[in-house]
Amino acid sequence: DTAVSQTPKYLVTQMGNDKSIKCEQNLGHDTMYWYKQDSKKFLKIMFSYNNKELIINETVPNRFSPKSPDKAHLNLHINSLELGDSAVYFCASSQGGQGASGNTIYFGEGSWLTVV
Amino acid sequence: SQKIEQNSEALNIQEGKTATLTCNYTNYSPAYLQWYRQDPGRGPVFLLLIRENEKEKRKERLKVTFDTTLKQSLFHITASQPADSATYLCAPDTGGNMLTFGGGTRLMVKP
Repeated sequence: DTAVSQTPKYLVTQMGNDKSIKCEQNLGHDTMYWYKQDSKKFLKIMFSYNNKELIINETVPNRFSPKSPDKAHLNLHINSLELGDSAVYFCASSQGGQGASGNTIYFGEGSWLTVV
Repeated sequence: SQKIEQNSEALNIQEGKTATLTCNYTNYSPAYLQWYRQDPGRGPVFLLLIRENEKEKRKERLKVTFDTTLKQSLFHITASQPADSATYLCAPDTGGNMLTFGGGTRLMVKP
């Protein structure tokens, strides 16, 4: 079974549309994340949720809205898509918060978003 | 501001040699540093974690060092194989439950 699964894997859409990416983890982790990897391959955190509560929101436009119905799911909804939103979006999870406690992060396979 | 640097140029080595990748960071002191591997079209996969009080960590053919004075971590793959070809990302913790990823170094191991 896939530990962190996200859908869809590929998404091509027009500017101005609204789209969602879904994510689920079956690891029993408390914390989930959304990362964005741009064309230069830099991986940057967008959001972090711990037990359904938002704990990190890294200067992301309001058009991006994460939603966590339960601690195993973290979905990403994007309104009014722009060309610059084209990137790979990774969902991830960890037991507890990342970083300071040394927890490692488990990533999904990514969702390739192309805005045309 | 905090900065993490990895060599953006690809590292090409011959099979059987030792690959050494560098991660430099500035303007902060991470308590931990993690290394991840990313294959094309896939998500990053955790490899090793090293703490600030550890000089070196090993796992099979992998070795990571952590020099808090130089603000540098080195990632070594001994007896490299073509299957080791991937992009390797370092990720020092930047406090506040945050990890920040470097831009990664692409390793190409030629048979």
